[in-house]
Amino acid sequence: AQSVAQPEDQVNVAEGNPLTVKCTYSVSGNPYLFWYVQYPNRGLQFLLKYITGDNLVKGSYGFEAEFNKSQTSFHLKKPSALVSDSALYFCAVRDDYNQGGKLIFGQGTELSVKP
Amino acid sequence: NAGVTQTPKFRILKIGQSMTLQCTQDMNHNYMYWYRQDPGMGLKLIYYSVGAGITDKGEVPNGYNVSRSTTEDFPLRLELAAPSQTSVYFCASRVTGGGYNEQFFGPGTRLTVL
Repeated sequence: AQSVAQPEDQVNVAEGNPLTVKCTYSVSGNPYLFWYVQYPNRGLQFLLKYITGDNLVKGSYGFEAEFNKSQTSFHLKKPSALVSDSALYFCAVRDDYNQGGKLIFGQGTELSVKP
Repeated sequence: NAGVTQTPKFRILKIGQSMTLQCTQDMNHNYMYWYRQDPGMGLKLIYYSVGAGITDKGEVPNGYNVSRSTTEDFPLRLELAAPSQTSVYFCASRVTGGGYNEQFFGPGTRLTVL
């Protein structure tokens, strides 16, 4: 079965420092991986996705993610964090075989960026 | 484009009441989904639809029903509300043609059942 795991419930970073939000996955077949961000009382916003090709994927708001097949990881990164990046981040994998290509989500990581 | 819109934003129900959560998208997407989000958890799929007239169950369908009479609308019905249905509900949609297309989410409906 497809699954994703986000090992950290919370990540704290000082503004201006680099940030990493971790995600590992387990899939049978090709992994289609996504990152979404959720601001308080808002819906999920798409950040970036990995389908195939270059292992470094660039997305919205200066975020990027590194796909590592050998480590089955898809960590979200940003070189310099902003206070406005504080939000809940979800990693997700598409279920290739079931239920209309549903997304299977990790439990989320709360990112807090302090001035 | 308005994208995916949901109404209402908030609702409080008493046990046993019923209600319909509305979802509309203006992107002509064939695929639509209903998820629920519980605290500290990721989203779980309730129902999905691959086009008008076609719906199917997701992971947690009990206590819910859906219909899809048009491409644009995908309402979610709660018939006999229970406290376990207290959650935030998100509707999403995506284009057909490769499941790697991202899903677009609505702003959510926060439902409390007392």
